[in-house]
Amino acid sequence: NAGVMQNPRHLVRRRGQEARLRCSPMKGHSHVYWYRQLPEEGLKFMVYLQKENIIDESGMPKERFSAEFPKEGPSILRIQQVVRGDSAAYFCASSRTSGSLSDTQYFGPGTRLTVL
Amino acid sequence: EDKVVQSPLSLVVHEGDTVTLNCSYEVTNFRSLLWYKQEKKAPTFLFMLTSSGIEKKSGRLSSILDKKELFSILNITATQTGDSAVYLCAVANFGNEKLTFGTGTRLTIIP
Repeated sequence: NAGVMQNPRHLVRRRGQEARLRCSPMKGHSHVYWYRQLPEEGLKFMVYLQKENIIDESGMPKERFSAEFPKEGPSILRIQQVVRGDSAAYFCASSRTSGSLSDTQYFGPGTRLTVL
Repeated sequence: EDKVVQSPLSLVVHEGDTVTLNCSYEVTNFRSLLWYKQEKKAPTFLFMLTSSGIEKKSGRLSSILDKKELFSILNITATQTGDSAVYLCAVANFGNEKLTFGTGTRLTIIP
C-alpha cells in the first residue's frame, strides 16, 4: 500500500513564477491536508480539503495561494508570483476519515521549494 | 489559539542512554495528541494518545498523556543511532481537522 505521494520533491523557481505542488493521498483516503515548514520551525497548517471541496483554509495566505482536490487526480497547491519568503518545505498529509479519535494523518515526503 | 511547546529543543546523548522528551499544550476542545518522528523526509507517525494515564508502547518507545496537567512525554530506552531525528508533537481538537505542531526536539545519538 503506497504511502502519500508528493511531487516534485524539489522545486526551484525564480521570483514571480508559479509553483505547483502535487499530492496523491494514500489509497482509501479522501481527506487531504497541506502544511508548511519553515527552517527550524514546526509544521504550520495551511488547508484541509475533501474531494472537490475546501473545508478549512484558515492557515493559507489570502493572496497568491490556492488549493484544490479534484474528483479525479491529485490535490494541487498552487503558489502564484512566488517570493523568497515562500521558500519552505510543503508537506501533504491524508487521512481516511475525519473527526474520529482513531484516525491519523499520514504525511508525504514533502516538496522543498526554493525561490531564487 | 492552540499552542504546543516541546522541550528540550535539542538533546545529545550517547547510544544506550534513555531519553525523555516533553510536550505541553494549550488547546480548546482537546481531541488527541500525536507524536511523529521526522528524519530528512516525511514525518512518520509514532503514537496517538487520547486518554490520560494509558501508556502506549512500541518497542523501545513509549508515551503517556496527562490531560489534567496538559502534557505528554515520549520515552526512548536503549537509544540507537537510528533514533536520531526531530520528534514532533501535535494536538488535534474537536471542531476542526488541523494539527497544531510544536517546533520539535532534535535528538542526536552519539555512537
